Amino acid sequence: DTAVSQTPKYLVTQMGNDKSIKCEQNLGHDTMYWYKQDSKKFLKIMFSYNNKELIINETVPNRFSPKSPDKAHLNLHINSLELGDSAVYFCASSLQTGELFFGEGSRLTVL
Amino acid sequence: ELKVEQNPLFLSMQEGKNYTIYCNYSTTSDRLYWYRQDPGKSLESLFVLLSNGAVKQEGRLMASLDTKARLSTLHITAAVHDLSATYFCAEGDSNYQLIWGAGTKLIIKP
Repeated sequence: DTAVSQTPKYLVTQMGNDKSIKCEQNLGHDTMYWYKQDSKKFLKIMFSYNNKELIINETVPNRFSPKSPDKAHLNLHINSLELGDSAVYFCASSLQTGELFFGEGSRLTVL
Repeated sequence: ELKVEQNPLFLSMQEGKNYTIYCNYSTTSDRLYWYRQDPGKSLESLFVLLSNGAVKQEGRLMASLDTKARLSTLHITAAVHDLSATYFCAEGDSNYQLIWGAGTKLIIKP
């Protein structure tokens, strides 16, 4: 059983399109995250939700909108995609210790 | 500004050798995390260090934490090719959020 699963794994789309990435965790964790990893492997936190409530909203364009229908799901919707949005997006969930468990990543390529 | 610095950022070594990756951080945190990432893959948690003097070992990897020096180390003993990966350290801040280092790309040559 996959602990943190995200879909799709690959997304290739044109500039200006809207796309969504879904994430689900079956670990029973209360906190979920979206991270962006660029081509140089830098990890940047985008959002964090604790029990469906937004607790971190880093400086991210408002074209990015997270949605958490319940504490096991955290989806990411991106409007009006730009070239600079190309990256790997990781979903994660965490224990009380702060240890993160990551999904397999969704590689977004904007043409 | 909160900062985590890893050193070196790139390391190429021969199998059988020992080496250490260093992780300096800027706050008085006592929580430090190490992760491994294989090319094109996800990040896997290796070690969670939750107190000063914590030492954890798994196979050929050993991690330690010195909160007074604000330093964690990841020591590799008798490296093997399978340990080739990018290793990240991350510091836990007061809100349990992680501040990430830039990663150390480790290549181990047979």
